[in-house]
Amino acid sequence: NAGVTQTPKFRVLKTGQSMTLLCAQDMNHEYMYWYRQDPGMGLRLIHYSVGEGTTAKGEVPDGYNVSRLKKQNFLLGLESAAPSQTSVYFCASSPSTDTQYFGPGTRLTVL
Amino acid sequence: DQQVKQNSPSLSVQEGRISILNCDYTNSMFDYFLWYKKYPAEGPTFLISISSIKDKNEDGRFTVFLNKSAKHLSLHIVPSQPGDSAVYFCAALSGTYKYIFGTGTRLKVLA
Repeated sequence: NAGVTQTPKFRVLKTGQSMTLLCAQDMNHEYMYWYRQDPGMGLRLIHYSVGEGTTAKGEVPDGYNVSRLKKQNFLLGLESAAPSQTSVYFCASSPSTDTQYFGPGTRLTVL
Repeated sequence: DQQVKQNSPSLSVQEGRISILNCDYTNSMFDYFLWYKKYPAEGPTFLISISSIKDKNEDGRFTVFLNKSAKHLSLHIVPSQPGDSAVYFCAALSGTYKYIFGTGTRLKVLA
């Protein structure tokens, strides 16, 4: 039981490049979330999903897209990376509207 | 506009003493609160939660107090141990699925 895993752990992009971050959970949770953490800002919700095939916008969705084609996976895409998207990205899942289980994070640098 | 605030960025406490971490919120509609602990290079892990119908919840060395009239919650750790050194985030449930996180307090327990 791996819990929540994130791929990759680190990535460096140039401005304008695209990439996809993968989040996978093996706990059969309905809800999944993508957050970003910036210094002095706490965790801010980018997008979330309440079930397979559904997605919704969080606090800071601009510049990101998501997909949840399978219940266990939640993908976060950056179509044209910008330096402002340099951050640590955390994925989380939860069985209901309480405790969230977080992955270890992806550190992304956009040059 | 920060709806959940942790006004102390850091706190140092001697081993064996009490650690008190504070969190203030502005939205009286929040009805569920959680505390997470985060070690460097790891994702946050759930610590303890409290519903707005309660004013106290206890789990071993950890107790969370909620003062709804003051829109304030606090986390007490007694006794504090060096392994408690981490960043602590409070979070409030907004609506059905979305959590709003505070900016975190870095706790250092001195041996």
